[in-house]
Amino acid sequence: ETGVTQTPRHLVMGMTNKKSLKCEQHLGHNAMYWYKQSAKKPLELMFVYNFKEQTENNSVPSRFSPECPNSSHLFLHLHTLQPEDSALYLCASSQVLGDTIYFGEGSWLTVV
Amino acid sequence: KNEVEQSPQNLTAQEGEFITINCSYSVGISALHWLQQHPGGGIVSLFMLSSGKKKHGRLIATINIQEKHSSLHITASHPRDSAVYICAVRFGNEKLTFGTGTRLTIIP
Repeated sequence: ETGVTQTPRHLVMGMTNKKSLKCEQHLGHNAMYWYKQSAKKPLELMFVYNFKEQTENNSVPSRFSPECPNSSHLFLHLHTLQPEDSALYLCASSQVLGDTIYFGEGSWLTVV
Repeated sequence: KNEVEQSPQNLTAQEGEFITINCSYSVGISALHWLQQHPGGGIVSLFMLSSGKKKHGRLIATINIQEKHSSLHITASHPRDSAVYICAVRFGNEKLTFGTGTRLTIIP
């Protein structure tokens, strides 16, 4: 238990579906992140939120839409995804930007 | 270009062996992380280093700033150490750059 909880752990969705991934951290951290891990590729940073404000969007397609309603919760809204978007999506948090980072268990996404 | 390279990509060893995983980076960094990813996908942060050496149980992480190199050592390896070990570095104030990982398998 790392203090960062992601749901669902597994998601299968069609290309026309709309779904959301949820992340919650119980660590009192102020920075939250979404990462994507595709097969045989390094982790890729998608979005960074610092004190609920988005500070980084790493050229992510608009079919991925993040939402950070408060410092403890982070969502990734998904719509009209492509099969190549199938990957492990990892949420992480840190006390402040640049501090030790804590990852969630990840959400395995399959787009069919 | 800010790059991170890990070696080896895959490592299989017998239980009890001393394990070393290496990470090299291209330019000066402000911090280096070692992460452990289990088969289910979950990632645990093992160490964050900016200089010297850190030890936690059977795990030891070292960094040589001049040589731009870090090593992760596991003493008395155990099958439960089987995982992917990932090196990640922060170049200045930029985002973390990740290596491709080292898949470690410890055979009983």
